[in-house]
Amino acid sequence: SAVISQKPSRDICQRGTSLTIQCQVDSQVTMMFWYRQQPGQSLTLIATANQGSEATYESGFVIDKFPISRPNLTFSTLTVSNMSPEDSSIYLCSVDLGMNTEAFFGQGTRLTVV
Amino acid sequence: AQSVTQPDIHITVSEGASLELRCNYSYGATPYLFWYVQSPGQGLQLLLKYFSGDTLVQGIKGFEAEFKRSQSSFNLRKPSVHWSDAAEYFCAVAPGGNDYKLSFGAGTTVTVRA
Repeated sequence: SAVISQKPSRDICQRGTSLTIQCQVDSQVTMMFWYRQQPGQSLTLIATANQGSEATYESGFVIDKFPISRPNLTFSTLTVSNMSPEDSSIYLCSVDLGMNTEAFFGQGTRLTVV
Repeated sequence: AQSVTQPDIHITVSEGASLELRCNYSYGATPYLFWYVQSPGQGLQLLLKYFSGDTLVQGIKGFEAEFKRSQSSFNLRKPSVHWSDAAEYFCAVAPGGNDYKLSFGAGTTVTVRA
Protein backbone atom coordinates (compact mmCIF):
# COMPACT_ATOMS: atom_id res chain seq x y z
CA SER A 1 0.00 0.00 0.00
CA ALA A 2 0.95 3.64 -0.10
CA VAL A 3 0.41 6.47 2.34
CA ILE A 4 -0.09 9.85 0.73
CA SER A 5 0.12 13.14 2.58
CA GLN A 6 -1.30 16.29 1.06
CA LYS A 7 -0.70 19.80 2.28
CA PRO A 8 -2.56 21.96 2.94
CA SER A 9 -5.71 20.06 3.81
CA ARG A 10 -7.77 23.15 3.14
CA ASP A 11 -7.30 26.82 2.32
CA ILE A 12 -9.27 29.93 1.58
CA CYS A 13 -7.60 32.13 -1.00
CA GLN A 14 -8.18 35.47 -2.62
CA ARG A 15 -8.95 35.56 -6.31
CA GLY A 16 -5.95 36.33 -8.48
CA THR A 17 -3.51 34.60 -6.17
CA SER A 18 -1.88 31.18 -6.54
CA LEU A 19 -1.76 28.16 -4.26
CA THR A 20 0.73 25.31 -4.34
CA ILE A 21 -0.44 21.92 -3.10
CA GLN A 22 2.11 19.37 -2.00
CA CYS A 23 1.83 15.60 -2.29
CA GLN A 24 4.25 13.33 -0.44
CA VAL A 25 4.25 9.55 -0.81
CA ASP A 26 5.88 7.10 1.57
CA SER A 27 7.34 5.00 -1.24
CA GLN A 28 8.85 5.59 -4.65
CA VAL A 29 6.31 5.63 -7.44
CA THR A 30 6.64 6.18 -11.14
CA MET A 31 3.37 7.89 -11.88
CA MET A 32 1.49 10.43 -9.84
CA PHE A 33 -1.88 11.86 -10.80
CA TRP A 34 -3.72 15.03 -9.91
CA TYR A 35 -7.52 15.11 -9.87
CA ARG A 36 -10.08 17.82 -9.30
CA GLN A 37 -13.47 17.33 -7.68
CA GLN A 38 -15.70 20.34 -8.11
CA PRO A 39 -18.53 20.81 -5.59
CA GLY A 40 -21.09 18.03 -5.92
CA GLN A 41 -19.25 16.56 -8.89
CA SER A 42 -17.19 13.53 -9.71
CA LEU A 43 -13.41 13.46 -10.06
CA THR A 44 -11.70 14.67 -13.21
CA LEU A 45 -8.08 13.94 -14.05
CA ILE A 46 -6.01 17.09 -14.43
CA ALA A 47 -2.64 15.64 -15.34
CA THR A 48 -0.19 12.78 -14.97
CA ALA A 49 3.20 13.59 -13.49
CA ASN A 50 6.20 11.39 -14.19
CA GLN A 51 9.52 12.05 -12.57
CA GLY A 52 12.03 13.61 -14.94
CA SER A 53 9.58 14.63 -17.63
CA GLU A 54 6.91 17.21 -18.30
CA ALA A 55 3.49 16.50 -16.93
CA THR A 56 0.85 15.30 -19.36
CA TYR A 57 -2.35 17.34 -19.19
CA GLU A 58 -5.85 16.19 -19.97
CA SER A 59 -8.15 18.04 -22.30
CA GLY A 60 -9.33 21.28 -20.73
CA PHE A 61 -6.33 21.71 -18.45
CA VAL A 62 -3.21 23.69 -19.31
CA ILE A 63 0.21 24.05 -17.80
CA ASP A 64 -0.05 27.81 -17.35
CA LYS A 65 -3.05 27.37 -15.09
CA PHE A 66 -1.96 24.19 -13.31
CA PRO A 67 1.85 23.95 -13.32
CA ILE A 68 3.11 20.69 -11.84
CA SER A 69 6.49 19.75 -10.48
CA ARG A 70 7.83 16.25 -9.95
CA PRO A 71 11.36 16.59 -8.58
CA ASN A 72 11.71 13.01 -7.35
CA LEU A 73 9.91 9.69 -7.05
CA THR A 74 8.10 10.53 -3.80
CA PHE A 75 6.97 14.12 -4.21
CA SER A 76 4.91 16.34 -6.48
CA THR A 77 3.30 19.76 -6.37
CA LEU A 78 0.31 21.20 -8.16
CA THR A 79 -0.09 24.96 -8.38
CA VAL A 80 -3.46 26.54 -9.04
CA SER A 81 -2.57 29.87 -10.63
CA ASN A 82 -4.45 33.15 -10.88
CA MET A 83 -7.36 31.65 -9.01
CA SER A 84 -11.00 32.48 -9.53
CA PRO A 85 -14.05 31.26 -7.59
CA GLU A 86 -14.55 28.61 -10.29
CA ASP A 87 -11.35 26.96 -9.04
CA SER A 88 -12.99 26.19 -5.72
CA SER A 89 -12.72 22.41 -5.57
CA ILE A 90 -11.11 19.51 -3.83
CA TYR A 91 -7.77 18.65 -5.39
CA LEU A 92 -6.54 15.10 -4.93
CA CYS A 93 -3.21 13.47 -5.48
CA SER A 94 -3.11 9.82 -6.49
CA VAL A 95 -0.47 7.19 -7.11
CA ASP A 96 -0.42 3.65 -8.34
CA LEU A 97 2.09 0.98 -7.49
CA GLY A 98 1.62 -0.85 -10.77
CA MET A 99 1.10 -4.55 -11.34
CA ASN A 100 -2.51 -5.13 -10.39
CA THR A 101 -2.69 -2.73 -7.49
CA GLU A 102 -5.16 0.02 -6.93
CA ALA A 103 -4.79 3.75 -7.19
CA PHE A 104 -4.21 5.30 -3.78
CA PHE A 105 -5.52 8.73 -2.96
CA GLY A 106 -4.50 11.44 -0.58
CA GLN A 107 -7.11 13.03 1.64
CA GLY A 108 -7.38 15.97 -0.72
CA THR A 109 -7.00 19.72 -0.47
CA ARG A 110 -10.24 21.64 -0.14
CA LEU A 111 -9.74 25.00 -1.84
CA THR A 112 -12.15 27.89 -1.56
CA VAL A 113 -11.51 31.00 -3.65
CA VAL A 114 -13.20 34.20 -2.52
CA ALA B 1 -12.43 7.61 -25.41
CA GLN B 2 -13.43 5.58 -22.42
CA SER B 3 -16.46 6.60 -20.43
CA VAL B 4 -18.16 5.47 -17.26
CA THR B 5 -21.88 5.75 -16.63
CA GLN B 6 -23.60 5.51 -13.29
CA PRO B 7 -27.28 5.79 -14.20
CA ASP B 8 -28.55 6.36 -10.67
CA ILE B 9 -27.75 9.74 -9.18
CA HIS B 10 -29.40 9.05 -5.86
CA ILE B 11 -30.65 5.87 -4.19
CA THR B 12 -32.50 5.62 -0.91
CA VAL B 13 -32.58 2.27 0.81
CA SER B 14 -33.84 1.04 4.16
CA GLU B 15 -31.36 -0.26 6.69
CA GLY B 16 -31.08 -4.01 6.32
CA ALA B 17 -32.30 -4.00 2.75
CA SER B 18 -30.16 -4.96 -0.22
CA LEU B 19 -28.37 -2.44 -2.37
CA GLU B 20 -27.27 -2.52 -5.99
CA LEU B 21 -25.44 0.29 -7.73
CA ARG B 22 -25.08 0.19 -11.49
CA CYS B 23 -22.00 0.97 -13.52
CA ASN B 24 -21.52 0.69 -17.26
CA TYR B 25 -18.37 1.49 -19.15
CA SER B 26 -17.41 2.07 -22.72
CA TYR B 27 -13.97 0.88 -23.69
CA GLY B 28 -12.47 -1.29 -26.41
CA ALA B 29 -10.64 -3.79 -24.26
CA THR B 30 -11.34 -5.04 -20.76
CA PRO B 31 -10.17 -2.25 -18.51
CA TYR B 32 -9.37 -2.27 -14.84
CA LEU B 33 -12.53 -1.62 -12.84
CA PHE B 34 -12.90 -0.10 -9.40
CA TRP B 35 -15.48 0.98 -6.90
CA TYR B 36 -14.61 3.76 -4.46
CA VAL B 37 -16.61 5.18 -1.58
CA GLN B 38 -16.42 8.74 -0.30
CA SER B 39 -18.04 9.60 2.99
CA PRO B 40 -18.82 13.25 3.76
CA GLY B 41 -15.62 15.17 4.28
CA GLN B 42 -13.52 12.07 3.76
CA GLY B 43 -11.12 10.90 1.11
CA LEU B 44 -11.67 8.10 -1.34
CA GLN B 45 -11.58 4.54 -0.09
CA LEU B 46 -11.32 1.56 -2.41
CA LEU B 47 -14.11 -0.99 -1.94
CA LEU B 48 -12.99 -3.48 -4.54
CA LYS B 49 -11.29 -3.88 -7.89
CA TYR B 50 -11.30 -6.13 -10.91
CA PHE B 51 -8.32 -6.80 -13.13
CA SER B 52 -8.92 -10.30 -14.45
CA GLY B 53 -10.04 -13.76 -13.41
CA ASP B 54 -13.12 -14.52 -11.36
CA THR B 55 -15.83 -12.10 -12.43
CA LEU B 56 -17.39 -11.95 -8.96
CA VAL B 57 -15.21 -9.80 -6.76
CA GLN B 58 -15.43 -9.52 -3.00
CA GLY B 59 -14.52 -6.28 -1.33
CA ILE B 60 -14.44 -4.65 2.06
CA LYS B 61 -17.45 -3.82 4.23
CA GLY B 62 -19.48 -6.71 2.79
CA PHE B 63 -19.58 -5.35 -0.76
CA GLU B 64 -19.23 -7.40 -3.91
CA ALA B 65 -19.30 -6.61 -7.61
CA GLU B 66 -19.79 -8.65 -10.73
CA PHE B 67 -18.07 -7.98 -14.01
CA LYS B 68 -20.24 -8.82 -17.03
CA ARG B 69 -18.28 -8.44 -20.24
CA SER B 70 -21.32 -8.90 -22.47
CA GLN B 71 -23.06 -5.99 -20.78
CA SER B 72 -19.96 -3.86 -20.14
CA SER B 73 -21.13 -3.60 -16.57
CA PHE B 74 -19.58 -3.75 -13.11
CA ASN B 75 -22.45 -3.46 -10.66
CA LEU B 76 -21.86 -3.15 -6.93
CA ARG B 77 -24.01 -5.02 -4.44
CA LYS B 78 -24.47 -5.42 -0.72
CA PRO B 79 -26.99 -7.87 0.74
CA SER B 80 -27.84 -5.84 3.83
CA VAL B 81 -26.95 -2.18 4.22
CA HIS B 82 -26.00 -0.46 7.43
CA TRP B 83 -26.59 3.18 8.27
CA SER B 84 -22.84 3.73 7.94
CA ASP B 85 -23.05 2.85 4.25
CA ALA B 86 -24.60 6.24 3.52
CA ALA B 87 -22.03 7.87 1.26
CA GLU B 88 -21.12 8.72 -2.32
CA TYR B 89 -20.06 5.78 -4.47
CA PHE B 90 -17.90 6.12 -7.54
CA CYS B 91 -17.25 3.59 -10.25
CA ALA B 92 -13.91 4.11 -12.00
CA VAL B 93 -12.14 2.63 -14.99
CA ALA B 94 -8.48 2.53 -15.98
CA PRO B 95 -7.27 1.42 -19.40
CA GLY B 96 -5.20 -1.44 -18.04
CA GLY B 97 -1.70 -2.64 -18.66
CA ASN B 98 0.54 -0.05 -17.06
CA ASP B 99 -1.99 2.74 -17.48
CA TYR B 100 -3.78 3.61 -14.25
CA LYS B 101 -5.34 6.90 -15.28
CA LEU B 102 -8.83 6.72 -13.83
CA SER B 103 -12.04 7.86 -15.44
CA PHE B 104 -14.78 8.24 -12.87
CA GLY B 105 -18.51 7.93 -13.16
CA ALA B 106 -20.67 10.78 -11.92
CA GLY B 107 -21.27 9.01 -8.64
CA THR B 108 -24.30 7.65 -6.82
CA THR B 109 -25.39 9.09 -3.50
CA VAL B 110 -26.76 6.46 -1.15
CA THR B 111 -29.09 7.47 1.64
CA VAL B 112 -29.98 4.90 4.29
CA ARG B 113 -33.23 5.33 6.17
CA ALA B 114 -33.93 3.73 9.52
